[in-house]
Amino acid sequence: AQSVTQPDIHITVSEGASLELRCNYSYGATPYLFWYVQSPGQGLQLLLKYFSGDTLVQGIKGFEAEFKRSQSSFNLRKPSVHWSDAAEYFCAVGTSGTYKYIFGTGTRLKVLA
Amino acid sequence: KAGVTQTPRYLIKTRGQQVTLSCSPISGHRSVSWYQQTPGQGLQFLFEYFSETQRNKGNFPGRFSGRQFSNSRSEMNVSTLELGDSALYLCASSLGSSGRPYNEQFFGPGTRLTVL
Repeated sequence: AQSVTQPDIHITVSEGASLELRCNYSYGATPYLFWYVQSPGQGLQLLLKYFSGDTLVQGIKGFEAEFKRSQSSFNLRKPSVHWSDAAEYFCAVGTSGTYKYIFGTGTRLKVLA
Repeated sequence: KAGVTQTPRYLIKTRGQQVTLSCSPISGHRSVSWYQQTPGQGLQFLFEYFSETQRNKGNFPGRFSGRQFSNSRSEMNVSTLELGDSALYLCASSLGSSGRPYNEQFFGPGTRLTVL
């Protein structure tokens, strides 16, 4: 069965430090991968997506993610974190032909001033 | 272009009651998906509608149902509410074109349901 794992429930970084959020998926075919961010009391906002092609994708707010098929991973990165990046981040996989999206359990990011 | 809207934003019900939540997708979007978000379970897929037809559903009991209207607006109904139904219910819309399963989804702010 398809699944998405975000191994880190909480991550704390200092403002200005680099960030990497991990995401591993289990899916037999080529996945369609997404990263979303959710601020408190808000819905989810799409940061970036991977469908095919270049395995390094750029998103909004300075985020990027790299698809590594051999590791079944789609990790999210940002070179310098801002205090406003504090939020919960969700990785998701879209399954071909089923119109169903599977989300990871999320990683809550805290940013220290 | 207006985003996805959900009404009401907050709702308090008691056990045994039923509730109806509404979602208006982005103009031109024909697919609407519903998710339940809880602290322990994350986002759980409920069902997805496209052109008034349910195309996929998650593993929820029959108390959870939905429908979509000809204008793509969608409603979700939960009957015989239980305490465990307390959650944030999120609606997401996408173009949902046939043959393109990877359409990105745009989320509404959610409806916070509290069951007492």
